[in-house]
Amino acid sequence: GESVGLHLPTLSVQEGDNSIINCAYSNSASDYFIWYKQESGKGPQFIIDIRSNMDKRQGQRVTVLLNKTVKHLSLQIAATQPGDSAVYFCAEKAVNYGGSQGNLIFGKGTKLSVKP
Amino acid sequence: KAGVTQTPRYLIKTRGQQVTLSCSPISGHRSVSWYQQTPGQGLQFLFEYFSETQRNKGNFPGRFSGRQFSNSRSEMNVSTLELGDSALYLCASSLPPYEQYFGPGTRLTVT
Repeated sequence: GESVGLHLPTLSVQEGDNSIINCAYSNSASDYFIWYKQESGKGPQFIIDIRSNMDKRQGQRVTVLLNKTVKHLSLQIAATQPGDSAVYFCAEKAVNYGGSQGNLIFGKGTKLSVKP
Repeated sequence: KAGVTQTPRYLIKTRGQQVTLSCSPISGHRSVSWYQQTPGQGLQFLFEYFSETQRNKGNFPGRFSGRQFSNSRSEMNVSTLELGDSALYLCASSLPPYEQYFGPGTRLTVT
């Protein structure tokens, strides 16, 4: 597979434990945030998103928390499984004028390693 | 529904050459964005196309260009390749304002 990043922060957890991955975003004007999962040899896969008018959103086994005061985003994965092993990226977006979707600004990523 | 497809998946070129990468978005998606991913710089935005028009551009030199066709398929071109252009090039499609779906990428190696 392809290496998606060297010297990434690594989080190692035991199967069945909960995982928390943190991200500091850069632009206070960003109003949309996304978490992506990238497995070796694949493109980023959408996990969950949150808009700036919310501070928490839950999906299946995942929860995203947004703290706009300190520009912090976190992803919580419940009952982590070996299949969750991947690199996780947060991304922020500021919608430009004219309805443009704008571009995604990605964080550096965190490598999650799940021990069976 | 078929996902985003990118061709070719792997490519080896020499310095000074030019290369064209192709991206077919998910059916119905009109926005296509391109990103460069390297170990050192991570994922960086190149440009976004919508209805055949470039709407956003990242901070890359003019050697990087793109276009979008009437069927929303997109190509990006890199001219006068440099060693530092070696990267995974990712294409993402979306139906704004919803989330972007990424393709598997094209791994470009410049020797």
